[in-house]
Amino acid sequence: DAKTTQPPSMDCAEGRAANLPCNHSTISGNEYVYWYRQIHSQGPQYIIHGLKNNETNEMASLIITEDRKSSTLILPHATLRDTAVYYCIVRVAQSSARQLTFGSGTQLTVLP
Amino acid sequence: DSGVTQTPKHLITATGQRVTLRCSPRSGDLSVYWYQQSLDQGLQFLIHYYNGEERAKGNILERFSAQQFPDLHSELNLSSLELGDSALYFCASSVMTGSNYGYTFGSGTRLTVV
Repeated sequence: DAKTTQPPSMDCAEGRAANLPCNHSTISGNEYVYWYRQIHSQGPQYIIHGLKNNETNEMASLIITEDRKSSTLILPHATLRDTAVYYCIVRVAQSSARQLTFGSGTQLTVLP
Repeated sequence: DSGVTQTPKHLITATGQRVTLRCSPRSGDLSVYWYQQSLDQGLQFLIHYYNGEERAKGNILERFSAQQFPDLHSELNLSSLELGDSALYFCASSVMTGSNYGYTFGSGTRLTVV
């Protein structure tokens, strides 16, 4: 799995968009970008994933650069409940159900 | 409710003791993964079972063992407990959906060793 680099912490004002960057310069052509988050002491929660196209779901948007070496998770209108550690994971999504490997992630704090 | 059930939610025990943590995966999920998260630490992968067979081992101590039963629930056994084993223990299950695996985590068991 490709290595990812995320800032250790970020702040965002409530109601504003939160943009969380992830660098994955060694990503391979068959590797996906996954985002999970962990609200304090809860189990990690899947947010979104993508291969090369931008993706959007009810929780967030994922923007992947054309060279796929970096991506940004966007929470369009952050709320206090979005305060969590956000993990960017790059891995092959094939038939073998290998484990997810978590890095240190980004602690997002949404401020009132 | 994620569909992955972990019991107990909290466990307090003394050093040297042995405990068993239980995980019931989502219905239909064949894989179970165990993770350890110590205070202010990251999620460390311990072990993966698929349909009753061990598939991968991570940073799991020899004092720890796991198994997955025919009904697909899994148990993580921790023995000769030390203070440093105090942590949150999560299990996750996964299923193939389309071309990707979806992973669902339980709410964890908080183990305190005193």
